[in-house]
Amino acid sequence: ETGVTQTPRHLVMGMTNKKSLKCEQHLGHNAMYWYKQSAKKPLELMFVYSLEERVENNSVPSRFSPECPNSSHLFLHLHTLQPEDSALYLCASSQELGSAETQYFGPGTRLLVL
Amino acid sequence: KNEVEQSPQNLTAQEGEFITINCSYSVGISALHWLQQHPGGGIVSLFMLSSGKKKHGRLIATINIQEKHSSLHITASHPRDSAVYICAVRSNYQLIWGAGTKLIIKP
Repeated sequence: ETGVTQTPRHLVMGMTNKKSLKCEQHLGHNAMYWYKQSAKKPLELMFVYSLEERVENNSVPSRFSPECPNSSHLFLHLHTLQPEDSALYLCASSQELGSAETQYFGPGTRLLVL
Repeated sequence: KNEVEQSPQNLTAQEGEFITINCSYSVGISALHWLQQHPGGGIVSLFMLSSGKKKHGRLIATINIQEKHSSLHITASHPRDSAVYICAVRSNYQLIWGAGTKLIIKP
């Protein structure tokens, strides 16, 4: 248990569906992250939030929409996804946004887009 | 070419063997992380290094800043060590990830 939880753990959706991934951290951290992990590829950073403000968006398609209502919760809203978006989506948090901060990861949501 | 290279990509060994996983990087870094990803996706942070060596149980991580190289060693390996081991470096507030090394320890 790392103190970061993600729901759902598994999700299958069609290309026209709208769904949301949820991440919650119980560590009192101020920074949260969304990563995408595709098969046989390095982790890709999607979004970074610090104190509920987005600080980084690594050219992610608009069909992925993040939301950070408070420092403990992070959502990733999904709509009109493509089959190539099938991947493991990982949420992480760190105490602060900084170069030497350790990130604590949730278990991930395994997404399959049909 | 990826800025963080890990080797080997896959490693299968017998229980009890001494395991070494290597990570080389080509950028200036402020820290290097070793992480472990279990089947099913859960990731655990093992070490954060900026110099020297760290030890935790049967795991040892070393880093040579001049050579831009780090190694993760597992002594007396056990089947429960089977996982993907990922190296990630912090460079200019970015976290750059290696592709991971898949380790299988056979009983």
